[in-house]
Amino acid sequence: GQQVMQIPQYQHVQEGEDFTTYCNSSTTLSNIQWYKQRPGGHPVFLIQLVKSGEVKKQKRLTFQFGEAKKNSSLHITATQTTDVGTYFCALTGGATNKLIFGTGTLLAVQP
Amino acid sequence: DGGITQSPKYLFRKEGQNVTLSCEQNLNHDAMYWYRQDPGQGLRLIYYSQIVNDFQKGDIAEGYSVSREKKESFPLTVTSAQKNPTAFYLCASRQANTEAFFGQGTRLTVV
Repeated sequence: GQQVMQIPQYQHVQEGEDFTTYCNSSTTLSNIQWYKQRPGGHPVFLIQLVKSGEVKKQKRLTFQFGEAKKNSSLHITATQTTDVGTYFCALTGGATNKLIFGTGTLLAVQP
Repeated sequence: DGGITQSPKYLFRKEGQNVTLSCEQNLNHDAMYWYRQDPGQGLRLIYYSQIVNDFQKGDIAEGYSVSREKKESFPLTVTSAQKNPTAFYLCASRQANTEAFFGQGTRLTVV
């Protein structure tokens, strides 16, 4: 199946530090989505990126789609304890309507 | 309340038994998905369905079966052929290439 790698697998930060997770695909992507899963919970949609080079912001979160549409990133400025969880990218688009998730990055925030 | 409902929340299976996990949505979504999540791991696609009476294998379909006789329902059967079924199972639905909505999940344990 299609490979979607996320790095890092795990990151531990002090509250107030920044955090970035990267999503890399072996093929060109149609669209990419980002989800957050709190510990013990289910994934919740954050955003969808469609255009090459697109940048979107949601408060302290900044999402980027690479120019070649093969990678994406999520950056959190000044992390808070409420940011704790696993962040997943997901590939979508195309005729099959498949939704393939990346390996995820687990963020731990120390107060 | 609109949403997607999975039941039961916890399920225990004896070795050699088939069990069926329920997934119901009232969002009028065409597409539905089943994922498996192991501790500290990402979401792996088991089966997905784009429309009623149609479904496709995902990356780890062996040992699982599904049906899609109604738009709102997409049950997953974990058969005795699945050698390591203990995991967290998540069901999702969405319309076209928009955001996916997830159920609360079913935690299956083999005893």
